[in-house]
Amino acid sequence: QVQLVQSGAEVKKPGASVKVSCKASGYTFSSDDINWVRQATGQGLEWMGWMNPNSGNTGYAQKFQGRVTMTRNTSISTAYMELSSLRSADTAVYYCARGTLLPKGPYNHYVLDVWGQGTTVTVSS
Amino acid sequence: DIQLTQSPSFLSASVGDRVTITCRASQGISTYLNWYQQKPGKAPELLIYGASALQSGVPSRFSGSGSGTEFTLTISSLQPEDFATYYCQQLNSYPRGFTFGPGTKVDIK
Repeated sequence: QVQLVQSGAEVKKPGASVKVSCKASGYTFSSDDINWVRQATGQGLEWMGWMNPNSGNTGYAQKFQGRVTMTRNTSISTAYMELSSLRSADTAVYYCARGTLLPKGPYNHYVLDVWGQGTTVTVSS
Repeated sequence: DIQLTQSPSFLSASVGDRVTITCRASQGISTYLNWYQQKPGKAPELLIYGASALQSGVPSRFSGSGSGTEFTLTISSLQPEDFATYYCQQLNSYPRGFTFGPGTKVDIK
């Protein structure tokens, strides 16, 4: 079955970096985008950015520009999200999600249809 | 950027109730609006895309409607497994990116 499996929980100190992995299986990794979304405890969903595994092209939310880097290793069908200069406000669950197009009538709609299980990142001194 | 608001932010309902959640966009987005369900401690799941298309495997008691700036998610007969938080989401075309609504938590009365 199609699934995304993320790396385990991380605890980091302020100012450090964290790199979260997201391994895809059950579909052709290069055929769909990987997006990253985070959620602080008790808060809503916050989109961070997308990456096209085929081209390596990326797009980041303005809030994270300069601090986030999304990469991939196509040989092992794995995407990565690295966030630098961590602060306590970055404490959250980080999700990867497949971005794909679903047809409805004559149009296609971009959706996040498969999600990883989430990776808890805790930033604390 | 287009902003999304949801109402109510919280609702208390009983099993069997009909539940309606509204999502409003700050400007017209045609039908480019998706809905997700998130249960505590779990990742979100896609319910509805294109404002009204049911994602494969989603029960038919869920339905979506609307276009332009106002959208609704309806659960025709609330089941115990439907108690969760619901988010609407739209895709900005340029710069490309997602916006999520703030969420509506559906709790047991």
